[in-house]
This record gives sequence, structure tokens and C-alpha cells, in this order.
Amino acid sequence: EAQVTQNPRYLITVTGKKLTVTCSQNMNHEYMSWYRQDPGLGLRQIYYSMNVEVTDKGDVPEGYKVSRKEKRNFPLILESPSPNQTSLYFCASATPQGFTGELFFGEGSRLTVL
Amino acid sequence: GQQVMQIPQYQHVQEGEDFTTYCNSSTTLSNIQWYKQRPGGHPVFLIQLVKSGEVKKQKRLTFQFGEAKKNSSLHITATQTTDVGTYFCAGMEYGNKLVFGAGTILRVKS
Repeated sequence: EAQVTQNPRYLITVTGKKLTVTCSQNMNHEYMSWYRQDPGLGLRQIYYSMNVEVTDKGDVPEGYKVSRKEKRNFPLILESPSPNQTSLYFCASATPQGFTGELFFGEGSRLTVL
Repeated sequence: GQQVMQIPQYQHVQEGEDFTTYCNSSTTLSNIQWYKQRPGGHPVFLIQLVKSGEVKKQKRLTFQFGEAKKNSSLHITATQTTDVGTYFCAGMEYGNKLVFGAGTILRVKS
């Protein structure tokens, strides 16, 4: 089954404790992206990757890091989480957007930073 | 930078009534996409519009892309309880940057 898998789905952590949210897709998609969803603000892009070893900042990259060492994986790293990073995070993938554009989303990771 | 404004933020309708959500972009778009997110779920792709003035239908859903390729709408005829959720538009700038609107939350009273 074609899917985007995120882990963990739920996480409560404390300020400053490094964490990683993993994302894996099995559709051989070149494009992957991370979004955060906050009430009234929609989906805001954090980072994206057009292909392996190619990453770029989205609209709200501060406080986050990513890597793309393999095509299927695109982890999101919070080196020193802060309470303003409490949010619902979605990973998404697509074939190059200039071709089809359809994003496939993971089920989301709800993060609470105390 | 590009902005995509979506209205209304929230709409509560009686089952059987129609519903429309609107998106406006500050820049001309290469295409616009629509997604639906059920409560507690993740966004799911509905459709993509590419051509100026394009109209597409999916059963009770009608999608339009404006002539200037700066606005779009989603209209649902005779809403059902299965239509509840948040509807997002996402505008793609030339250069492959996709920007989401804030979404419209639809609630349907039965």
C-alpha cells in the first residue's frame, strides 16, 4: 500500500530535549516536505527536499533541521524544542511538483513541548 | 511573498444546504489544488486545476479556477454529514512553491 509513515504519532517532551520525527514513503517520490498545522494558520511549510541531498527552507524553518540521505526518508529534527513548537506536524511527498503536484500526507505527529 | 487567503474560516450548515469556500492569491498561480482533512485526520488531495477558467466536478463538489488564475472556489451542493472537515486550497506559484490557505472548517447539522 502506498503510504507516508510518520513516527511518533504523539509525543510530549520538555524544553531543550532534542527529538526527531521520522518520515518514510514507499512511493519512490523525489519530493518530500514537512508542514506544521496550527489553528487558524493552515499548513505552513517548514522544509522541503526536491531529491536526495537537496533540501531547502520553507516559510517557518527556524528551530528545525532536516536531512535527506535516502530517497524514502526525510526526518525532522528539533535540536532544542521550545513551547512554540507545540503543533501538529505533517510529512508529505510527491513526484516533482511541476509534473503532478499531488501531495500525499502522513497521518501526522502531534507534538507537545512543556 | 505569495499569500493565499481563504474564506470563510468556519461555516456551520444544515444538512442539505449548499456550501462554498473561496481562495484568493496575491500572485498569479500556475495551478491550484484542493485538499480535505477529516476531523483527526490528514489532508487528502481532492483535485488540481490548471487552466484559466477551468471548472471540474466530482459528484456534488464543483471546483472553479478564475480567469486570471488568482482565485478559486469549491462549492458543495446539498451537504451531507460525510462532508464535515477542513477544506484547504493550495496555490502553486511558478517555480513550484505550494502555499496553503488557512482552511475552511465545515460543520454539518443533521
